[in-house]
Order: sequence, then structure tokens, then C-alpha cells
Amino acid sequence: EIVLTQSPGTLSLSPGERATLSCRASQSISDSYLAWYQHKPGQAPRLLIYGASRRVTGIPDRFSGSGSGTDFTLAISRLEPEDFAVYYCQYYGSSPRELTFGGGTKVEIK
Amino acid sequence: EVQLVESGGGLVQPGRSLRLSCAASGFTFDDYAMHWVRQAPGKGLEWVAGIGRNSDYIGYADSVKGRFTISRDNAKNSLYLQMNSLRSEDTALYYCAKVVWFGALDYWGQGTPVTVSP
Repeated sequence: EIVLTQSPGTLSLSPGERATLSCRASQSISDSYLAWYQHKPGQAPRLLIYGASRRVTGIPDRFSGSGSGTDFTLAISRLEPEDFAVYYCQYYGSSPRELTFGGGTKVEIK
Repeated sequence: EVQLVESGGGLVQPGRSLRLSCAASGFTFDDYAMHWVRQAPGKGLEWVAGIGRNSDYIGYADSVKGRFTISRDNAKNSLYLQMNSLRSEDTALYYCAKVVWFGALDYWGQGTPVTVSP
């Protein structure tokens, strides 16, 4: 069973700063199956990145994903006010076919 | 426009059952796998169950295995979650979501709340 550990739990930053969020897998995984989501209170989660680094159409280019093996990163180059939210990484296992979410990182206004 | 609309949530006593539905529109429903994901109050996202395009595969989280059953009716563009033997720890907002690529979920409903309490 793959476990995804996200760090830090909370990131306190100011608008305009760079955010770097980490997602570490308990064992090596295919980057094809790693996704990132943004979740705001009262809203449905929003897919940002899939395949570790492929940005979804319409997602601003200040969001970028990278990584391989066990270590993956979501970077937000310059935080906009609307970027303060909780971010989750997610893995899709092929055998068995199940999804795993990380515990989330809250990006809050400093 | 893709829409996923969940229904069927509510307040239920421990040990009882509930059936959630998710009505899909705006895409070819039987082309995509679907999943249920939940979020308990103050907690993160938790995968519940998933089903292949033609129900060719089905998977469950260990926390619901043997109690919950996922199903779909492609003729009705609908996804279901039958929840039996409900526990207080099943209290959560339940989302249905559509798969786009290697298990990534590109569209989500707004969720239906389930509260399990005496």
C-alpha cells in the first residue's frame, strides 16, 4: 500500500511569494499516476496537475509540478490571493486499482 | 458543460443504510471510470470506491470494504454508492468524480453530506 506524506502541513506565506509543496511516496511510483488538487472551503476540489507535471488546461502557468520516484513537488511561483487553499497530492495504483490522497498542505496568508 | 450532481445524503442512525446517487451530464458517461471520494469534518480527502467504464473493475478503500457497494447504470448516466452498516466515522461530505487520465479526477460534484448519528 502506497502512503503519500505531504509537507509541510501548513505554509504561511504572503502574496507574491513562492510556495513549494512536497509529496513523498512510501515507495517508488510512476509519475504518470501522480496528480495535484486545490481545494477551497465550500467548493469541489480542482485538478491542477496530472502525470506529475502536466498542467490542466486553464490552470495558470504559475503552477508547476515536478518529481519522480518517491519525491514530487508542486510549486506556485508567485502566490495570488486566490491561491490560498489546501493542496492535495494523489496517486492512482494500478494493482490494485485504488486512489490514495496525501494528507494535504494548507497554504495560508501570513 | 460537464455536470455531476450528487444526491441521497442525510442524517441516518448507526447501523442503517443509505444510497447515494450521482447524475452525470455533458460527457459520454460510459467512456470514463468514476470514483467516490469523501471528506470528514476537519479532515482531508479520502478515496472511498471506484468503478471502471463498464463496471469491469471495482475497488474499495479498506475502511468501507464489505459495507459499501459502488455501481453504475450507463443507460441512466448515473453512479451509485450503497452504504450499509453505517458508522459514525462515515460522517462526511461525499463527492463523485470523473477520471480523466491515469486516475486523475478532472470533474467533481459539489458533494452530498452524510451524517451518521443516533
